Amino acid sequence: EAQVTQNPRYLITVTGKKLTVTCSQNMNHEYMSWYRQDPGLGLRQIYYSMNVEVTDKGDVPEGYKVSRKEKRNFPLILESPSPNQTSLYFCASSLRGGGTFFGQGTRLTVV
Amino acid sequence: AQSVTQPDIHITVSEGASLELRCNYSYGATPYLFWYVQSPGQGLQLLLKYFSGDTLVQGIKGFEAEFKRSQSSFNLRKPSVHWSDAAEYFCAVGPLRRGAQKLVFGQGTRLTINP
Repeated sequence: EAQVTQNPRYLITVTGKKLTVTCSQNMNHEYMSWYRQDPGLGLRQIYYSMNVEVTDKGDVPEGYKVSRKEKRNFPLILESPSPNQTSLYFCASSLRGGGTFFGQGTRLTVV
Repeated sequence: AQSVTQPDIHITVSEGASLELRCNYSYGATPYLFWYVQSPGQGLQLLLKYFSGDTLVQGIKGFEAEFKRSQSSFNLRKPSVHWSDAAEYFCAVGPLRRGAQKLVFGQGTRLTINP
């Protein structure tokens, strides 16, 4: 089954404690992205990747890092999380010119 | 910069009634346009997309959308809603140059269905 898998689905952490949210897709898609969803703001792109070792900033990249060492994986790293990064995060993947597939989401709370 | 506006934050319709969700976009060229649905606690599911050609596109679950360049709109419609259609709906635009890679989303419209 074609899918984008994120882990964990839920995470509560403390300010400043580094964390990684993993994302994996099994569709051999070139493009992968991370979005955050906040009430009243819809989804906003954090980072995206057009292929292995090629990444670029989206609209809200501050406080986040990404890497793309393998085509299927695109982890999101928060080096020093802060409460304003409490949000619902989605990983997505797509082919050029195709629709975007989203993971199930990771609800992150930073206290 | 591109932007997407969904003027209705919340819409309530009766089961069996017709539905239209509005979406207006701002973009300098012909965009890729999408509608996604998000059920509670779930990820986003693609309902339909417009890239080019016929301006009336059919999607899954009986939804359709019409691209109107003159109005910069891409409204989503369904002739008869079902209780299972209750969800949040997002319109999104993708820049032509990079295909579907970068999506700009509207704020979303929450749909409630009355029995």
